Amino acid sequence: DIQMTQSPSSLSASIGDRVTITCRASQSISRFLNWYQQRPGKAPKLLIYGASSLQSGVPSRFSGSGSGTELTLTISSLEAEDFATYYCQQSYSSPRTFGQGTKLEIK
Amino acid sequence: QVQLQQWGAGLLKPSETLSLTCDVHGGSFSGYFWSWIRQSPGQGLEWMGEINQSGSTNYNPSLKSRVAISLDMSKSQFSLNLSSVTAADTAVYYCARVPASFYYYMDVWGEGTTVIVSS
Repeated sequence: DIQMTQSPSSLSASIGDRVTITCRASQSISRFLNWYQQRPGKAPKLLIYGASSLQSGVPSRFSGSGSGTELTLTISSLEAEDFATYYCQQSYSSPRTFGQGTKLEIK
Repeated sequence: QVQLQQWGAGLLKPSETLSLTCDVHGGSFSGYFWSWIRQSPGQGLEWMGEINQSGSTNYNPSLKSRVAISLDMSKSQFSLNLSSVTAADTAVYYCARVPASFYYYMDVWGEGTTVIVSS
């Protein structure tokens, strides 16, 4: 199985900050990487697929980049609704695996 | 706008079989995979498996001997069975839709069903 490791595990930031979350894969996954946002008590919500494609309806302050073993999610200017947990998920091979999550909290 | 509505038993005893169903509202089965994912505090998010419109399945090897996913297009639903459950299977279970595209991603999710396994 491909292991996905996110960093940091938690992050404190302020509204208006730019934040970056990194996802590292145990082997190259090309651009087969998706990002999800999960708010407490809710299902994950797709933000980015294929490393950098923005899902319909997702604000443009979210962006993804990278390929191979290191990929990133960037939020250009945090808004109050962005404080949540973020997960990466590789779709390069089966079984599909997720990172352990990054909890983004208000400073 | 497709919506996924889940239902099934939320409290099980060890060795029983978990059965959940996901109703697909407002969408077609064609062109998609239909998957189950679970989330527990100890294991995070775990992809369990998927089924396509032809009924072909793909399971996580960690569950392969216990898991079965089926599809009933006449009822617009797909189901998850997990046999011989233990406390380790306590989790929130989600159904999700996966477009059959170059990139595999879950674009629509059910609301989640909490399943507790306890004697």
